[in-house]
Amino acid sequence: DQQVKQNSPSLSVQEGRISILNCDYTNSMFDYFLWYKKYPAEGPTFLISISSIKDKNEDGRFTVFLNKSAKHLSLHIVPSQPGDSAVYFCAATQGGSEKLVFGKGTKLTVNP
Amino acid sequence: ETGVTQSPTHLIKTRGQQVTLRCSSQSGHNTVSWYQQALGQGPQFIFQYYREEENGRGNFPPRFSGLQFPNYSSELNVNALELDDSALYLCASSPLAQPYGYTFGSGTRLTVV
Repeated sequence: DQQVKQNSPSLSVQEGRISILNCDYTNSMFDYFLWYKKYPAEGPTFLISISSIKDKNEDGRFTVFLNKSAKHLSLHIVPSQPGDSAVYFCAATQGGSEKLVFGKGTKLTVNP
Repeated sequence: ETGVTQSPTHLIKTRGQQVTLRCSSQSGHNTVSWYQQALGQGPQFIFQYYREEENGRGNFPPRFSGLQFPNYSSELNVNALELDDSALYLCASSPLAQPYGYTFGSGTRLTVV
């Protein structure tokens, strides 16, 4: 049973445009959500996070939106740059847990 | 400050063999978590070690075991290897026994033939 779902395996956008990566979850106990970026042959690196008490968190070009009623979050990258090309993982956890639950990832390609 | 180092980067083992993967944690971090990432999947939690004790385990059989040493480095041992154990094994260190502030290593690519 996959508790965190990223239904789009890949996404391609033009440089300068907006990239929107989506993530759905089924466990209503999740209260903290994170996005990681992963380049080939490297480990995932933390990008941005959001607590369930918020509906938006922004950090430079990256914004994460959380819709708790829909159990949906999205990552917006504006403007997209070729260096953003990577696999993006959505992850979730709940208070007191020692683990992250990851989605399968979305491969973003930003074309020059 | 040094990051998380994993060794080896790649290895090939035969079904039924045993393997040990190593991870050095980032300076100042006392917690190490291990994840398995199969091809086309997201990382899946194996277990976490905090101050040399196992502090949580995912849905993995007992043939997956680990250790954490006084310097907070860690080992992941897998006995009786199966073909499905082929995956990227990621180690993450963190300053707290919580899944925040992870620093991931680059992983060990294990192939079981």
